[in-house]
Amino acid sequence: DAGITQSPRYKITETGRQVTLMCHQTWSHSYMFWYRQDLGHGLRLIYYSAAADITDKGEVPDGYVVSRSKTENFPLTLESATRSQTSVYFCASSSPEDSNQPQHFGDGTRLSIL
Amino acid sequence: QKEVEQDPGPLSVPEGAIVSLNCTYSNSAFQYFMWYRQYSRKGPELLMYTYSSGNKEDGRFTAQVDKSSKYISLFIRDSQPSDSATYLCAMSAVRGGADGLTFGKGTHLIIQP
Repeated sequence: DAGITQSPRYKITETGRQVTLMCHQTWSHSYMFWYRQDLGHGLRLIYYSAAADITDKGEVPDGYVVSRSKTENFPLTLESATRSQTSVYFCASSSPEDSNQPQHFGDGTRLSIL
Repeated sequence: QKEVEQDPGPLSVPEGAIVSLNCTYSNSAFQYFMWYRQYSRKGPELLMYTYSSGNKEDGRFTAQVDKSSKYISLFIRDSQPSDSATYLCAMSAVRGGADGLTFGKGTHLIIQP
């Protein structure tokens, strides 16, 4: 089915571990985004990408790494997880040609860092 | 001061009531305004997308933008229990939010049967 898929849906890990969150979209959208959602802060942009091999920092990029070797995939890596990175992470995608739907969101990954 | 302010609620109203949800913002560069609905443990889904000032209606939902006051609203008519969710306002200076969206914290809405 077409759409945007995030995996895993739930993840528990320990401080200092590396963890990668996956995002896959089947629309061939050129733009992809990572947000984190925390109580009291709402959704905040971590990184975004306008095309394969083009990425830019958002509001809260520290501690995160992204890559985009293929248009359909946009993984987010926490190289050394900290408790402050416990959050719900949402991936989104959009197409500049689709003026009626700015961003489609996945259903999120709930990440707990102990 | 956060760029986008939104009362987190909760806002509880009886079924059938008209609901008014609001956001204020400080960045005058914002031109594109969105309302998303988010159910528990799900991703945000787009309800309304408007450009610049004015009104837009879609079924029971009406979005209003007043750029002079830096104020946006979402009205829900004939509210239903299925409308119970968190409503997020979002905005961008760039068409389609190509460099990311700036969100309010979200308002938790409860429609009482």
